Formats: sequence, structure tokens, C-alpha cells
Amino acid sequence: DAKTTQPNSMESNEEEPVHLPCNHSTISGTDYIHWYRQLPSQGPEYVIHGLTSNVNNRMASLAIAEDRKSSTLILHRATLRDAAVYYCILRGVYSDSSYKLIFGSGTRLLVRP
Amino acid sequence: EAQVTQNPRYLITVTGKKLTVTCSQNMNHEYMSWYRQDPGLGLRQIYYSMNVEVTDKGDVPEGYKVSRKEKRNFPLILESPSPNQTSLYFCASSLSIGSGARSNTGELFFGEGSRLTVL
Repeated sequence: DAKTTQPNSMESNEEEPVHLPCNHSTISGTDYIHWYRQLPSQGPEYVIHGLTSNVNNRMASLAIAEDRKSSTLILHRATLRDAAVYYCILRGVYSDSSYKLIFGSGTRLLVRP
Repeated sequence: EAQVTQNPRYLITVTGKKLTVTCSQNMNHEYMSWYRQDPGLGLRQIYYSMNVEVTDKGDVPEGYKVSRKEKRNFPLILESPSPNQTSLYFCASSLSIGSGARSNTGELFFGEGSRLTVL
């Protein structure tokens, strides 16, 4: 199964952009790249996902490298509420249409006021 | 409100005393899954279910059982809990990626977690 590698922690100032990197060098052609975040004392919540093209939504942007071996989650203006653990996840699909989500250890984002 | 509900949220039990953690979702999702979260190890999948009566092992299934008799419920059963099963457990659900809906992002909806301590 393909794995992801993320830095253990990152820091940012409030209202500045944040770029959270993720390496997934063993990604297969059918793996989607998902990002989730986990706020303190809560379950993870979906942020964004993509396959090959860059993606934008109201929460963030996802930049995917051309070879798909890495991706970057971009928070355009970090707020204190964005302080969380961010997980980069590959959603693999098997031949029987079942799939699994492989969570890495995540990046803890600290946002300074 | 769309949600995944787990019970109990907190439980302290003793070794060997069977327990069940319930999980229920109200979004008509086909896919449901259980994860455990431990410090330094992140989220690890225990079991998952693609639909009613279809379950499969995740990465750490030992010591756990599940059942999927109804679409909305996916209980996690610890037949004989041991201290190494002390953990924070999360249930999650999503539409099947084969549902065909354009709006299907495969987004996982997580419950709020169940903190289990086995003495």
C-alpha cells in the first residue's frame, strides 16, 4: 500500500498563507489524494481531494505535482481556527471496487496570533 | 443534521469484559469504517464495510469484531478487551465511490470519537 510522508509540525502566523507538503512517491495511478484535518478533541474532517489537477474549494487549495509523487495543501490565510493536525491520505481502489484510506501521522499546524 | 453518532463517548472497563461501541449514521452511506488513534501512530483502520453484510479487515483487526446487519449501523465489538486496546476510536462513513453521483467526493464523515480505557 502506498504511504504518505508529512513533516511532524509546522508553524505559521495568523493571516499568512500556509503550504503543507506531502510526499507519496509510491502512489498508484488510481489513488486519489485526500486531505483531512483534526481539530483538538474532534474527529477528522474532510478538507479537499484531487487526482491529477489542482483543486480549489472554500477551505483550501490542493496543488498536485505533475508526477503525482507529492502534493501541497494551501491555506490562503491561516486563522487561529486552522490550528489542527492535517492528514494527507491516499484513497486506493482495489479490483473489487473496495477501497481503503491510509492515514499517515499528519502535520501539526500551529498558528501564531 | 447529517452526522455519525458513536456511543459511548467515554468508557472505562476491565480486562476481559465484553463491550460494544455503537456507530450509527443518518446519511444512507454504503461505506463505514472503524479507526483507532494512538499517540505517535496516527489513525489506523480496524475494519471497514462496503455495504450491508459486507465487512473486511483493515490494518489492525486483531481483537475486534464488527457486524453490518443494517445500513445505518456498524458496531465495534471487543469480545475480551485487553489493556493494549486502550485507545481513541473513530467511526466514519461515506458514500460508496461506485455510487456514480457527481457530487460524490468520497468524503469520510467521522464521529466524535469514543475514548476507551481497559484496566
